[in-house]
Parts: sequence; C-alpha cells; structure tokens
Amino acid sequence: QQPVQSPQAVILREGEDAVINCSSSKALYSVHWYRQKHGEAPVFLMILLKGGEQMRHEKISASFNEKKQQSSLYLTASQLSYSGTYFCGTDQTGANNLFFGTGTRLTVIP
Amino acid sequence: NAGVTQTPKFRVLKTGQSMTLLCAQDMNHEYMYWYRQDPGMGLRLIHYSVGEGTTAKGEVPDGYNVSRLKKQNFLLGLESAAPSQTSVYFCASIGAHSGANVLTFGAGSRLTVL
Repeated sequence: QQPVQSPQAVILREGEDAVINCSSSKALYSVHWYRQKHGEAPVFLMILLKGGEQMRHEKISASFNEKKQQSSLYLTASQLSYSGTYFCGTDQTGANNLFFGTGTRLTVIP
Repeated sequence: NAGVTQTPKFRVLKTGQSMTLLCAQDMNHEYMYWYRQDPGMGLRLIHYSVGEGTTAKGEVPDGYNVSRLKKQNFLLGLESAAPSQTSVYFCASIGAHSGANVLTFGAGSRLTVL
C-alpha cells in the first residue's frame, strides 16, 4: 500500500526547477506532501483532495491525477531552503491513515 | 502552544529491555499516530488511535503495544526490545488545516537497541 516516489534523490542549482512524483497502486482519497529537514520532524506542505484543485505553497505547487492515482510536486526556481527530503502520504479511504513513500532527497546548491 | 511533544528524545536499550515512549499533544486532536522511520524505508505506521480509549494496528505493529488512556497522551511500549527496533520514532496527531485534516509531527525519539 506504500506509494512509490521518484526520483529517490535530485541535486539542483539555485533557480532550477524539479518535479517529484508519487504513484499509488490503489485509488486515492487524498495525497499529502511533507518536507523533512535533516534531524527534524516532517512538516506539512500541502494536501490534494479527490476532485480538488491544484495547490500552491509559495513557489511549490502540486497536482493530483485521480484516474492515474498519481500526484506530482513541482518546485519552481528552487531556493537553498528547499533542501530536504520530500514525502508523499496517501490516504485511500478518507479515514486519515496515511501511507508514506520512501522519500525524495532534494539538495539545492548555490 | 507546544503542539506534539515526545519524550525521551534519545534512548539506548539492551536487547530484552522494555521501555515506553510518551507522546503528548495540546491541540485537542482526536486522532494520534506512531510511525517509525528507517533509512530508505520512509515512515511506516505502527499503531494509531481515533480517540481516547481506542487503539488500532498499523502496517508494522509487531513487538509494540500502545495505550490511549487520556485524549492528549499516546504511549508506545516495547516489552522486549530487539535490535530491529532501532529506529527514529515519530508521534503525530491530526487536525484541521484549511478544511482538510493534516498531520502535525513531534520532534522524534531516536532509539538504539544494542
């Protein structure tokens, strides 16, 4: 039930863009995105609900394709502060039980 | 407003010892969760609770027990620790954010079993 994330890791220069994908084998009610800095707790970025709109958080946006059971996180004009590991969490039923992907480590260099 | 607080932050155990991790939240959330995080494995759900007095198993419940005697507290117990339980443990609770339910995590508890 764990979603599959890709890529596993990516290195960007400041100002470059990146896309992180999250794919599930099951139908989804919602997809959550969290970012975790090294040694810290994961922090909520955004949630995409079935039938909902594409979301934005500063220069980070995300989409949810219900038919394909996929979500993508778009990081535009990356900043050093974007470095961290990004996790998608999927909720299949709306019962608030999230299954997390294995994470994508994003490193932004000057 | 502290959010989600976990104690202890670090602990080293010998194989076979027991211990309890405490999670406390002050946001009046009904749902609480325990996850473990291992390198390359992401976050895996151990147990969860949908309200005071209730608990349920997650993906990886074996070797752990939980209790939710008070709404604000969720305890995770290891009765006989094993090296495979070396991990970082995160507690989380779920609450409304702009009309949707999102997780708020504690800072984590790093457990090493020798």
